[in-house]
Amino acid sequence: QSALTQPASVSGSPGQSITISCTGAILDVGKYNIVSWYQQHPGKVPKLMIYEVTKRPSGVSTRFSGSKSGNTASLTISGLQADDEGDYYCCSFTGRSSLYVFGGGTKVTVL
Amino acid sequence: DVQLVESGGGLVKPGGSLRLSCEASGFTFSSFSMNWVRQAPGKGLEWVSSISRDSVYKYYEDSMKGRFTISRDNAKDSLYLQINSLRAEDTAVYFCSRSSAKKDFDYWGQGVLVTVSS
Repeated sequence: QSALTQPASVSGSPGQSITISCTGAILDVGKYNIVSWYQQHPGKVPKLMIYEVTKRPSGVSTRFSGSKSGNTASLTISGLQADDEGDYYCCSFTGRSSLYVFGGGTKVTVL
Repeated sequence: DVQLVESGGGLVKPGGSLRLSCEASGFTFSSFSMNWVRQAPGKGLEWVSSISRDSVYKYYEDSMKGRFTISRDNAKDSLYLQINSLRAEDTAVYFCSRSSAKKDFDYWGQGVLVTVSS
C-alpha cells in the first residue's frame, strides 16, 4: 500500500510555529483516530511524539501538538527550537492486513 | 527501564536468509504486541510486521508476505524475524518496537543493520 504523503521539508526560524501535514486515505487516516508522530534525529532511534492524533506521551514538550481533518493529520511545533531539527514521520493504523503505514518523512530545519 | 536489544544482523548474499532477534527487558513482554520496522539507508521508516501478545495474530506489509516470518517466545522475552530469499532492497536497519495499547510504537530498540550484497 502507498505511504502516507508528507512534505519533504519544512523550515522555520527559532520561535516560529511550523505545521507538517500527513495525507492518507479514507481507509487509514480518515477512518481511524490512530495516528502517531515520531521524531528522529540523525543516527538516532525514532521517538514517539504524538499518539492517537492529539495526545502527548509523558515527557514530550507541550510545544508539540497534533490534529486531524478528514484524511489529513498534522503536527504543529510551536516556539521552534534548534533541537527540533530532524526528521518527522507520521504513522496510521489501517485495520487491513498491512496493519500500519508510515509517511515518507519530513525534514525540519531551524533557520 | 524498558530495553529492546536487537541482534543477528550482518552481511548476507542475495538469496540468503537471516534471523533477527530482539531481547526485551524492563516490562512484561507477554502483555504487549511487538513489531519490526525497517529503514533503508537514507530513507524513511517502513513498517514490516506485527505480532499479537499470544502469537495468534501476525501481520505483514503486503510486499513482504511469504519471505518474512515474525515470531516470539514469551518465556524468553524475545521477538524474532526470519527473512528468506534476501534481496538488495532488504538492506536496512531493522528496529524492534513495542506497541502500546494505543497502537503506537512507544519504545524502540537501537536497530540492527542488514546488508544484502554479493
